[in-house]
Amino acid sequence: DVKVTQSSRYLVKRTGEKVFLECVQDMDHENMFWYRQDPGLGLRLIYFSYDVKMKEKGDIPEGYSVSREKKERFSLILESASTNQTSMYLCATVENTGELFFGEGSRLTVL
Amino acid sequence: RKEVEQDPGPFNVPEGATVAFNCTYSNSASQSFFWYRQDCRKEPKLLMSVYSSGNEDGRFTAQLNRASQYISLLIRDSKLSDSATYLCVVNTGGNSGYSTLTFGKGTMLLVSP
Repeated sequence: DVKVTQSSRYLVKRTGEKVFLECVQDMDHENMFWYRQDPGLGLRLIYFSYDVKMKEKGDIPEGYSVSREKKERFSLILESASTNQTSMYLCATVENTGELFFGEGSRLTVL
Repeated sequence: RKEVEQDPGPFNVPEGATVAFNCTYSNSASQSFFWYRQDCRKEPKLLMSVYSSGNEDGRFTAQLNRASQYISLLIRDSKLSDSATYLCVVNTGGNSGYSTLTFGKGTMLLVSP
């Protein structure tokens, strides 16, 4: 089975802190995604990557950056966290069939 | 028009009921379609893909209507464990080998005893 592992399930950070969310997948998938999910807004794409060192902005990239130094690892970085970045963050990979596999999510609270 | 639209619900149904969800999409170039299930505070998981000819998996039936640009999910004989949010996902395909996936906001189903 595909396994997508996110480093932290729950985080609490203060405004202005740097936040680093890691995602690791074990299926050699090329495409990886970071979403955030908020009540009433659904899943929104922040960034995605289709290869090592390649990244593309999604629908809401502002305030975020990403890193893909190795194929299996895709990191989301909040350089200076703000309260409006309190959310559930979901990492995903995709098979050739189009099926997405999600990590368990990282619930971030910014105080 | 939003790219992928779903009725947010909640749909409140008794056990044993039949319930249907619809999802409309705006991009006629969309190539593949999926229904995901998301339990409270969990990640979404694939429920079923939706094929042009329609497909069935036990109590679940998915259908695609390309002419009207909608997909549907029918759940027969609802169980308490079917309570969840159901997400419609549309893949419009893309260049350079990566895909564009658009999510609906989800439809919440509550099945009561």
